[in-house]
Amino acid sequence: NAGVTQTPKFRVLKTGQSMTLLCAQDMNHEYMYWYRQDPGMGLRLIHYSVGEGTTAKGEVPDGYNVSRLKKQNFLLGLESAAPSQTSVYFCASSPRRVGRTDTQYFGPGTRLTVL
Amino acid sequence: GDSVTQMEGPVTLSEEAFLTINCTYTATGYPSLFWYVQYPGEGLQLLLKATKADDKGSNKGFEATYRKETTSFHLEKGSVQVSDSAVYFCALMNYGGSQGNLIFGKGTKLSVKP
Repeated sequence: NAGVTQTPKFRVLKTGQSMTLLCAQDMNHEYMYWYRQDPGMGLRLIHYSVGEGTTAKGEVPDGYNVSRLKKQNFLLGLESAAPSQTSVYFCASSPRRVGRTDTQYFGPGTRLTVL
Repeated sequence: GDSVTQMEGPVTLSEEAFLTINCTYTATGYPSLFWYVQYPGEGLQLLLKATKADDKGSNKGFEATYRKETTSFHLEKGSVQVSDSAVYFCALMNYGGSQGNLIFGKGTKLSVKP
């Protein structure tokens, strides 16, 4: 199993450009998440999905859109990139909640720079 | 709202030294608690977890005990190695207040010198 993979690994954008980050998981997990990681801020949740065709806002959703058309994929879109969106983006997935332990499995990250 | 506070780094230790990284939390109800580790250039990996008061999570020589009376989940290791150099994140998942999503602390960078 590849686990959670992210495409691309690095990207440089100019202000106003758009792009889509792809997250794929092969563990048949129900839940998927997008986080951003900024220095001194830890990880903050952007959007998440509890199943195919569903999405919900996290802590910092402004400027981002997401789609979960297939269970294994979770896309994060930036319609008009801004320098404030320079960050490292992590995708994660977890199985349907069973009991009280919900391990999230993380991808390797995408480093995005917006000039 | 729910939150996690962990000691600021960076923390620099010599090999075989004792490690403690403090973590306290604020949450309603009875959250589950986690420690994740991020090695350079990689994503986060679950290190250990605990789901109820007085539970002890352990893995790879690391331990943390869920202390509800002090709302803490401090990470400890008796003898660190150079390979333990990484960023450590404390996190909670509250099945009531935060809709079951992970809330992370800001991370503590650990550097272990030979």
